[in-house]
Amino acid sequence: EAGVAQSPRYKIIEKRQSVAFWCNPISGHATLYWYQQILGQGPKLLIQFQNNGVVDDSQLPKDRFSAERLKGVDSTLKIQPAKLEDSAVYLCASSLKETGYLNYGYTFGSGTRLTVV
Amino acid sequence: GQNIDQPTEMTATEGAIVQINCTYQTSGFNGLFWYQQHAGEAPTFLSYNVLDGLEEKGRFSSFLSRSKGYSYLLLKELQMKDSASYLCAVRVDTGFQKLVFGTGTRLLVSP
Repeated sequence: EAGVAQSPRYKIIEKRQSVAFWCNPISGHATLYWYQQILGQGPKLLIQFQNNGVVDDSQLPKDRFSAERLKGVDSTLKIQPAKLEDSAVYLCASSLKETGYLNYGYTFGSGTRLTVV
Repeated sequence: GQNIDQPTEMTATEGAIVQINCTYQTSGFNGLFWYQQHAGEAPTFLSYNVLDGLEEKGRFSSFLSRSKGYSYLLLKELQMKDSASYLCAVRVDTGFQKLVFGTGTRLLVSP
């Protein structure tokens, strides 16, 4: 099966500019996640979608970050305006809807490496 | 809050055995995952534990003690390609399920 697709792979922007990332999850995966991974740290969940509805966006800096998942398939994450501290890898992951204690597995995309200068 | 601790960095020699520990304090525990992440790449799934005990998968084993909030990943017969970051992640269920990651352990395997 095809994996989680993300684009672009790399992006360099100046602070205060805008940027958007795109993610196409594995077909049939209802749940989609956006993580931010700063160099040397573990991924931090920004937002979680179940189909096209937001389940958790408690750690999303809503003054500058926004995300949508129209039609419950692919998703975009936007930053406007960007700050230096937004430099990170933005990972998208998807999973089947959980069922009890089954290991339903999360599949990650290769990520978008953002550098804000 | 959710708290997951791992050592920042470990070194080991090719052919040796290394144990990477993870301790967690979370609410709504619903399983623990280990992921491997090579530099510049996506995390890839290694193992999953939800009940106490040891899960073995080839050269990799993972152990869980829910009462102690403790897990470890054991890598045997280390190879140079095992040099990577190892991420401990806890699935929590607080009305909905999500995956919370530790900071990761960077493992360097030397010849």
